[in-house]
Parts: sequence; structure tokens; C-alpha cells
Amino acid sequence: QKEVEQDPGPLSVPEGAIVSLNCTYSNSAFQYFMWYRQYSRKGPELLMYTYSSGNKEDGRFTAQVDKSSKYISLFIRDSQPSDSATYLCVPASGGSYIPTFGRGTSLIVHP
Amino acid sequence: DVKVTQSSRYLVKRTGEKVFLECVQDMDHENMFWYRQDPGLGLRLIYFSYDVKMKEKGDIPEGYSVSREKKERFSLILESASTNQTSMYLCASSLQGATGELFFGEGSRLTVL
Repeated sequence: QKEVEQDPGPLSVPEGAIVSLNCTYSNSAFQYFMWYRQYSRKGPELLMYTYSSGNKEDGRFTAQVDKSSKYISLFIRDSQPSDSATYLCVPASGGSYIPTFGRGTSLIVHP
Repeated sequence: DVKVTQSSRYLVKRTGEKVFLECVQDMDHENMFWYRQDPGLGLRLIYFSYDVKMKEKGDIPEGYSVSREKKERFSLILESASTNQTSMYLCASSLQGATGELFFGEGSRLTVL
């Protein structure tokens, strides 16, 4: 079993839709959970950073972590064409500065 | 803003050539990383460095070496390029003790013919 599993997509939605991107992991030592966004032909950039279980909101984006089920979600409200990118689920364990990258989910928001 | 600069966005090389990929960061970060990214495989760690002249192998170091003579610069070297090293190469940096917060360059797309 891979440490981090993501559906590669692509996930295609109309503008304005609520998007749910999901990720599962197997290592119970993970305590830090990041979402990176990667536009085509660019490097990834950190989008959301959460610690342990719970929700974190930032504008149209909400990250949700359920450590009991090892399940991570990223919700995007009122999606825009500019949200079209690949979203990488990235957990990490405390004391390690090397995160584990999921393969990413490609999101396409069409006007 | 943190800036990680990769010297070449696009390179085309021939099999057997020696290839240098340069990366410079301007935020005094201790940690630097080299990844390659391939469709369907995601990001895979080649090498990382947590200090000047220090290096550690990542998940796929075969066929690669690295050099870190100065804190801000981390070079990836392909001693004898092969076609299976055609890929997108991404450099990243982070602060010592930072957990998961990497800053990436824009990537270098290498094609080996």
C-alpha cells in the first residue's frame, strides 16, 4: 500500500461548483498535512497547512483532516477557472522535514 | 518572497552527455531538495541536503549526484545522461525544522535524446 493515495482525475467541474479533493494515507505518524497546488509547467506551491485533526479555512478553501480514518480533504467553494491545477496531498511526520507527496489530482474548472 | 531559481527551464541533451542543473535560493534556507516529476508517478526525491557539503540519498539516487558548496546553491549532476532521465526536475528549499513547508523552483524540463 502506498503511503499516500490520491485519485489522479482529471476532475472536471463547471465554474461555481463546490469541489472536493480527497486523499488517504497509511502512516499513523503523520501529524502535519499540507495541500500544494501546481499549475501547468510550474513548481508546486503551498496552499494549505494544518496540524492534526480538524478543519482549517482560508477564503474559498477548507482543509479537513480526520486522523482516525486517515482521510484528508480539500474543499473549494465557488470554484474558478483559475483553480484549474493539480492538487497534491502532502502529509509529514513530526521531526521530519521531508514530506511525502501524493501523486496529485488534476482539477479542471470550465467556464 | 522566497525565491528558488533554477538555471534552465528547458534543456535538450544527448545520451551520454554530462548535465548540470543548478538551483539557487535566496532565503538562507538550510534544507535543499531535488525531485523529479513524471506523469503518473508524482514527485520522487532524488537527493537532499541539510547543510553545506552534506547530502543524503532520496528514493531514486541512481544515475545522479549532487553538490552543495555554498548554502544557497544546490546542483544536480547527471554524469552520463540516459533517455530514462527525461523528466521534469524540481528544486526546493526549506528552513531547518520546518515540517513539510517546501518552496519550489519553476522546474527544469530535461529531454535526453
